[in-house]
Amino acid sequence: EEQLVQSGGGLVQPGGSLTISCAASGFSLSHYWMSWVRQAPGKGLEWLGNIKADGSDKYYVESVRGRFTFSRDNAKNSLFLHMNSLRGEDTAVYFCAREFSTVSFISPWGQGTQVTVSS
Amino acid sequence: DIQMTQSPSTLSASVGDRVTITCRASQSISSWLAWYQQKPGEAPNLLISDASNLESGVPSRFRGSGSGTEFTLTINSLQPDDFATYYCQHYNNHPYTFGQGTQLEMK
Repeated sequence: EEQLVQSGGGLVQPGGSLTISCAASGFSLSHYWMSWVRQAPGKGLEWLGNIKADGSDKYYVESVRGRFTFSRDNAKNSLFLHMNSLRGEDTAVYFCAREFSTVSFISPWGQGTQVTVSS
Repeated sequence: DIQMTQSPSTLSASVGDRVTITCRASQSISSWLAWYQQKPGEAPNLLISDASNLESGVPSRFRGSGSGTEFTLTINSLQPDDFATYYCQHYNNHPYTFGQGTQLEMK
């Protein structure tokens, strides 16, 4: 079964940093663009951006550009979301997800990781 | 950026009903549209890609249609498991954007 399993997240103070990991099983991450999506409490889905299969290209939406960084270790079949300068409005469940191809729909998704930014 | 507008935001229906959710794009996206179902506490699940392509394992009572700027998701003969929130998403270009969601609730 193709799966994405997330870890990391938690409670962090405003201005702090946090990293979420996303491990793939049942398929090789190295063949796919990967996306990050978040969902604030009681709100809809916000696509944050994506990273090319070989890590050579990344797209960030404006709300996280310059603060969040996507990286990947294809040898370890893993994806990472590094978050810096966190704000209260970054409080959300964060999902990693696989893109079918270049500029594509998203499936499967990780189970989600809660990030809470609060003092 | 392309804006996606779903309607209605909330939909009340009964088991056995047929319901339709609409998603409008602020500019043409050809057929580059996906529909997802999300249940509380779970990740979204892909139902339909390329506007009308039903994903493997998704019941045939789900149907997607449309192209350009107007799209619909129709669910025939609602089942108890279908009460959830539905999102559309375009992938015409970056950035991808989602509709605000339609919460399908039991009447």
